Amino acid sequence: AQSVTQPDIHITVSEGASLELRCNYSYGATPYLFWYVQSPGQGLQLLLKYFSGDTLVQGIKGFEAEFKRSQSSFNLRKPSVHWSDAAEYFCAVAGTSGTYKYIFGTGTRLKVLA
Amino acid sequence: DAGVTQSPTHLIKTRGQQVTLRCSPISGHKSVSWYQQVLGQGPQFIFQYYEKEERGRGNFPDRFSARQFPNYSSELNVNALLLGDSALYLCASSLPGQGALNEKLFFGSGTQLSVL
Repeated sequence: AQSVTQPDIHITVSEGASLELRCNYSYGATPYLFWYVQSPGQGLQLLLKYFSGDTLVQGIKGFEAEFKRSQSSFNLRKPSVHWSDAAEYFCAVAGTSGTYKYIFGTGTRLKVLA
Repeated sequence: DAGVTQSPTHLIKTRGQQVTLRCSPISGHKSVSWYQQVLGQGPQFIFQYYEKEERGRGNFPDRFSARQFPNYSSELNVNALLLGDSALYLCASSLPGQGALNEKLFFGSGTQLSVL
């Protein structure tokens, strides 16, 4: 069955420190992979996506993610975290058949210390 | 351009009641999807509609239904509300058929439904 696992429920980092959020997926074929961010009381905003090609993808707000097929992972990274990055981050996988049934992980809540 | 708009933003109902949530997609988007996000969880897929036809349905009971109108707006209906239906209901629009690189969902801010 298709699934997405985000092993870290909460992560706390200091402002200016680097960040890595983990995501592992289970999918029978090559999936589409996404990272979304959700601020309190808001909808989800797309940070970046991977469909094919270069396994290191760049997104908005200085985020990047690396697709590693051998590890079934799609970890999100940022070299220097800003206080405004505090939010909940969701990894998602979607099929390549054109449907929009995204499967989301349970999320990682990021806290940034000043 | 306006983003995905949802109404109402908050709603309080009691068990057994029925509720209708509304969504207006981004102008030009023809597909609308609905997701349920229970507190502390990721969004769960409920429905996708494209050109007024149901294209996908998640693992939700028949109490949940939806429809899409000719202007591509959509309604989600939930009958016989249960306490467990309390959640943030997210609507997302997309523009299928534009190629893989353009496939992504644009989410609204959601309707927070509380069932007492």
